[in-house]
Amino acid sequence: KQEVTQIPAALSVPEGENLVLNCSFTDSAIYNLQWFRQDPGKGLTSLLLIQSSQREQTSGRLNASLDKSSGRSTLYIAASQPGDSATYLCAVVSGGSYIPTFGRGTSLIVHP
Amino acid sequence: EPEVTQTPSHQVTQMGQEVILRCVPISNHLYFYWYRQILGQKVEFLVSFYNNEISEKSEIFDDQFSVERPDGSNFTLKIRSTKLEDSAMYFCASRNLETGRWETQYFGPGTRLLVL
Repeated sequence: KQEVTQIPAALSVPEGENLVLNCSFTDSAIYNLQWFRQDPGKGLTSLLLIQSSQREQTSGRLNASLDKSSGRSTLYIAASQPGDSATYLCAVVSGGSYIPTFGRGTSLIVHP
Repeated sequence: EPEVTQTPSHQVTQMGQEVILRCVPISNHLYFYWYRQILGQKVEFLVSFYNNEISEKSEIFDDQFSVERPDGSNFTLKIRSTKLEDSAMYFCASRNLETGRWETQYFGPGTRLLVL
């Protein structure tokens, strides 16, 4: 059974810092990995989707990498801003079942 | 930009009552999903639906749950006899289907269900 772990659980940083959020998964036979943002009491917004054949994806100040062999993905946020404050979720779709498994998320606060 | 919509945004019900949560997926999407998130917990997959039938379901999705696509636009989740532990945020999601690739899932804003 796929398990997804996100570290750290919470992070508080001053504005302008570059950040790395980590996601690890136990079964490397994945189909894809997706990073989401969730604002309090709201739905999930997709940030980046990495197919299993890809190593990274970039969107603006966000860069996500994938290392299937080690079961890891990182989300890099450059020059963080207060508007980046949210919970960031990692979800892995496993190759056999196509069922997405989510991590608990990293709660990020960027203070001015 | 097209988006997934869900109604109602909040629902309060008595234990044992039936509830129907509604979703309108993005119009050209072919795969539909329901997830739930109990307060403070992970987002959990419930069920996926494609070509008018369930394609995958989790252990959570037992006989008290059912899904339906009653027309060309709506996708519903019915909980037949609600329990206290069904209190959660329920998210609908949809995605397009492209051969050989998995496209991004788009999530709705959620329905917060409270069972008393």
